[in-house]
Parts: sequence; C-alpha cells; structure tokens
Amino acid sequence: DTGVSQNPRHKITKRGQNVTFRCDPISEHNRLYWYRQTLGQGPEFLTYFQNEAQLEKSRLLSDRFSAERPKGSFSTLEIQRTEQGDSAMYLCASSPPSAGYNEQFFGPGTRLTVL
Amino acid sequence: AQKITQTQPGMFVQEKEAVTLDCTYDTSDQSYGLFWYKQPSSGEMIFLIYQGSYDEQNATEGRYSLNFQKARKSANLVISASQLGDSAMYFCAMRDGYGGSQGNLIFGKGTKLSVKP
Repeated sequence: DTGVSQNPRHKITKRGQNVTFRCDPISEHNRLYWYRQTLGQGPEFLTYFQNEAQLEKSRLLSDRFSAERPKGSFSTLEIQRTEQGDSAMYLCASSPPSAGYNEQFFGPGTRLTVL
Repeated sequence: AQKITQTQPGMFVQEKEAVTLDCTYDTSDQSYGLFWYKQPSSGEMIFLIYQGSYDEQNATEGRYSLNFQKARKSANLVISASQLGDSAMYFCAMRDGYGGSQGNLIFGKGTKLSVKP
C-alpha cells in the first residue's frame, strides 16, 4: 500500500491526557498537511510542512497542539491536556511538487474521542 | 478572507442520471485553485477534480466535470451517469495562489449525495 497512512485509526482518551498521532506520507511527497474535521463540517486546516520545515500554522492550532516532521518523512501531531472539544477526525495529507502541489492525497484519518 | 459555500446539505439522484452539486467561492486573489473531494462513509477524502483560475476550459475527469463560471465565482461539480457507489459526502475546496505559495485548502461544509436505485 503506497498511500498515506495514519496511526492509530481510533483513539479514545480521558480529558486531560496527552495523545499523539502519526502520519506517514506517500514517499517523495515533500509537503505534508494536517486537518481537523468535526461532525457535519468540512476539514479545517491546522498546519503544513515542506520537508522538515513547518511553514504555516492555523490559529486553530492552540499552544496545546504541536506538530513535528523531524526528518522530512513521517509527522506527528500531539495534543496535550485534551479537552472534549478536541474530539474530531484528524486528517493527514501529502502532496508532491509536480503540478504545483495541486493534488493533496489524504490518509484515512485518526478519530479522536475525548471523554 | 477566502470562503467556500455549498448550499445543498443533501441531494438525491436516480441511478444513471446526472447531478450537479453547487459550490460558490469568495476570494480577492487573482490566482487560485478549486477542488472537489469525495468522502465515503469510510472517511477517506478522495480527490476528484481540479480547476485552476486561469484555466480557460472546464476540467473533466471521467464522469466528473467542473462547471467553472469565474465571473459568478461558482465551481459546480457535475456527475454524469450516477452510480450507487457515488453515494457519499462531496466537498468543494479552494487553495489560494499558484506554484504552491500557499499550502492549505479551505473546504465547504459539504453536500451529502444519495443515489437511488
């Protein structure tokens, strides 16, 4: 399978706990994006990387959220001190430089439930 | 600020008929890209079609075509010969800037399409 992969697929946690998600992009896709999707809404942009550099962060990304892509390959998204409002699907996408990064390939998502 | 509006929360279509899903956008940029994605119940976002703001012809990909009307700022998706497997959420999205200068996509709220046998 050469698509974008995300782990875990589902995560249930208690309020106040920290969680970490992982995204493995398609090989040679140097751009990687994180989005959050709540029920009944379209995905909302959180942040993106070009190689290991984090180029843009949304104001949705509070100081409890941190994302890394240390070697320009996989990325992690950590949420500290989770709140019930963090319950959502977290989507990762990657994009190649060909055709100006026009196409973003999405992974299956990690569904977070905060109790 | 950029904004995508999808006014149809849900649509029904008979199998084998064509259906149009509406999308309007708002941007002050001259160059931008418009996208449609499909999200089945499994949750994965599937890229369908792309239209650049300077493209003079409407984009087509198999049974999907994008009816791009720049002056009206609309980018409707037309699905021809609907199939039962087309039942899903459909999202219109926009990215500002060409050449990858801006990374993120802005999505609408989506339209749920149901294909009836």
